[in-house]
Amino acid sequence: KQEVTQIPAALSVPEGENLVLNCSFTDSAIYNLQWFRQDPGKGLTSLLLIQSSQREQTSGRLNASLDKSSGRSTLYIAASQPGDSATYLCAVRRSSGTYKYIFGTGTRLKVLA
Amino acid sequence: GAGVSQSPSNKVTEKGKDVELRCDPISGHTALYWYRQSLGQGLEFLIYFQGNSAPDKSGLPSDRFSAERTGGSVSTLTIQRTQQEDSAVYLCASSRGGGETQYFGPGTRLLVL
Repeated sequence: KQEVTQIPAALSVPEGENLVLNCSFTDSAIYNLQWFRQDPGKGLTSLLLIQSSQREQTSGRLNASLDKSSGRSTLYIAASQPGDSATYLCAVRRSSGTYKYIFGTGTRLKVLA
Repeated sequence: GAGVSQSPSNKVTEKGKDVELRCDPISGHTALYWYRQSLGQGLEFLIYFQGNSAPDKSGLPSDRFSAERTGGSVSTLTIQRTQQEDSAVYLCASSRGGGETQYFGPGTRLLVL
C-alpha cells in the first residue's frame, strides 16, 4: 500500500531564504508525482508534474526533483517570498492498475516579511 | 469555462438526508476526479472518470456514495442518507487526460448536522 509522507509538517522562514520541502513514498512503482499548493479555504493549484521517467522539473523559482529508487521527491523554492506562504502537497499515482492519486499530509509554509 | 467550478459552495444538511454536489470541469478535459478533504485527514481520492465512464471507483467509502458524469462534462456526486462523518470539503479536479496536470475547483464544504 502506497504511503506518502511530507516532512516537515510546518516550516517558518524569513523572506529571501531558499528552502526545500520533502516528500517520501513507499512504493517506487509510480506513474508520476505532482506538487500542489493550497491556500487557506481554497482549492489546490498545480505547481509541477514529474513523470516517472524524469528527474526534475522547473517552473520559475520552483524546482522539483524525483528519485524513484529512494522513494523521494523534493521541492526547492528559491528566494522565498511572503506570497509563497501556503500548504504544499505532493501526490503520487501508481504505475499500473489505478488512476488514484495518494496525497501526503502537506507542509505548511510561512514566509515572514 | 475558465476554470473548474463547483456548486454549491456550502451545504448544510441534516443527518439522513441525501445531497448532490456538482462539478463543471474545464471544457475539453476528459478526465475528472473527486476528492474529499476532512479536518486532520488530508486529501482522499474518491473516484476517477474518463469521459462518462468511471474506471476507478476504489476510493468511494461506502455504497451511500455514487457519482455520474454526463456528456463527458458535468459530474454529480451523490451522498445518500448522510452521516456526520461525511462532513468534509469535497473537491473536484479535471485534466486533459488521465495522469496529466490536475486543475481543482474551489470545493463544496458539506456539514451534516
